[in-house]
Amino acid sequence: DGGITQSPKYLFRKEGQNVTLSCEQNLNHDAMYWYRQDPGQGLRLIYYSQIVNDFQKGDIAEGYSVSREKKESFPLTVTSAQKNPTAFYLCASSIDRGGGLNTEAFFGQGTRLTVV
Amino acid sequence: ELKVEQNPLFLSMQEGKNYTIYCNYSTTSDRLYWYRQDPGKSLESLFVLLSNGAVKQEGRLMASLDTKARLSTLHITAAVHDLSATYFCAVVTNFGNEKLTFGTGTRLTIIP
Repeated sequence: DGGITQSPKYLFRKEGQNVTLSCEQNLNHDAMYWYRQDPGQGLRLIYYSQIVNDFQKGDIAEGYSVSREKKESFPLTVTSAQKNPTAFYLCASSIDRGGGLNTEAFFGQGTRLTVV
Repeated sequence: ELKVEQNPLFLSMQEGKNYTIYCNYSTTSDRLYWYRQDPGKSLESLFVLLSNGAVKQEGRLMASLDTKARLSTLHITAAVHDLSATYFCAVVTNFGNEKLTFGTGTRLTIIP
């Protein structure tokens, strides 16, 4: 089945460590996004990418990095520079406008990151 | 800078009643989405609205879009407990370099 997969579902990080969250999609979507959600809050955009080897900072990119070496994959690294990384991280993908107008943006199941 | 505002932020209503959630956005948009989120879960796509005057319905939920007013509504008819969740609208901007920006969310609680 087509879909978007995030892993792991739960992740624990020690202070000072970098960790990488995986996001893979087999929907042939061009656009991919990473969001952060804190308890009881909305979604804030970290990074987004429209095509391979290109990505843009969102509203809260500091302390995070991404890569887009393949169309299907958009991993997010939470670096030690991110001082408050405990949150729920959501990855999404959607077809770029050139792929047609009737598009949806689908979300993965999320990764819950906790600093210990 | 794009702002997407939802109101109300919290809504508690009795089963069987009707209510509307509002989503206002500050710039022209390519399309607008509505999502549902259950506690501790990811987002489930409800509707995609593409053009002015678009109306979509699924069960007890109906969404509409007025691009001139930069307003979308999510109407709930004869609410049932299963509709308790947080509802988000999201707006696509920056045509050609699309950015998906979310509203603040509306936490809906249906009381039996």
